Amino acid sequence: HSVLTQPPSVSGAPGQRVTISCTGSSSNIGADYDVHWYQQLPGAAPKLLIYGDNNRPSGVPDRFSGSKSGTSASLAITGLQAEDEADYYCQSYDSSLSGSGVFGTGTKVTVL
Amino acid sequence: EVQVVQPGAEVKKPGESLKISCKGSGYSFPNYWIGWVRQMPGKGLEWMGIIFPGDSDTRYSPSFEGQVTMSADQFGNTAYLQWTSLKATDTAIYYCARLRGEASDDAFHVWGQGTVVTVSS
Repeated sequence: HSVLTQPPSVSGAPGQRVTISCTGSSSNIGADYDVHWYQQLPGAAPKLLIYGDNNRPSGVPDRFSGSKSGTSASLAITGLQAEDEADYYCQSYDSSLSGSGVFGTGTKVTVL
Repeated sequence: EVQVVQPGAEVKKPGESLKISCKGSGYSFPNYWIGWVRQMPGKGLEWMGIIFPGDSDTRYSPSFEGQVTMSADQFGNTAYLQWTSLKATDTAIYYCARLRGEASDDAFHVWGQGTVVTVSS
């Protein structure tokens, strides 16, 4: 089972703001490992959305933002759009797993 | 254009061996970590491990250590994921992805389209 816990689902109407939490522990997020976020559209490969806690790769809209505090991180989507309907995963590293990486449990975002 | 390319699908029987590939182009292949991610049918992403092609330094998730072998040919710009004896539970999509920067804890930036591995008798 994953050591990073996300809510199974979140939903919002077009234009609204939604947030996805990623809860870890003192051996991963709390140990100051970077948190990265990915978007996976249905039937597609994942896409990097946020790296290093709060940085967007070129081409990712500024509607997506990341933050981290203590043993948790969050992804916020503002101005929700129909094309944002997808699965979202956080990812970090964990010293209790010999420093290997770990993904969160994943969150399905539904646009109402 | 920076990209990593994987074969689309493999169909195998239980007990057979398999080696799938991930070919990088558009960048200096030896100098960026390549990682492997498993996605079982209808499930989430699982971090399997990473390899640095320049010196074949490899880091495995404890969940996959001993179950698979990662390797790389830095001169052929190709990374590999290998099984010696497949099980039905190995049925999944396997993605390879290049890390964004030089650090081994960086994000997976450039993703392949995934190789669908089906293990069935």
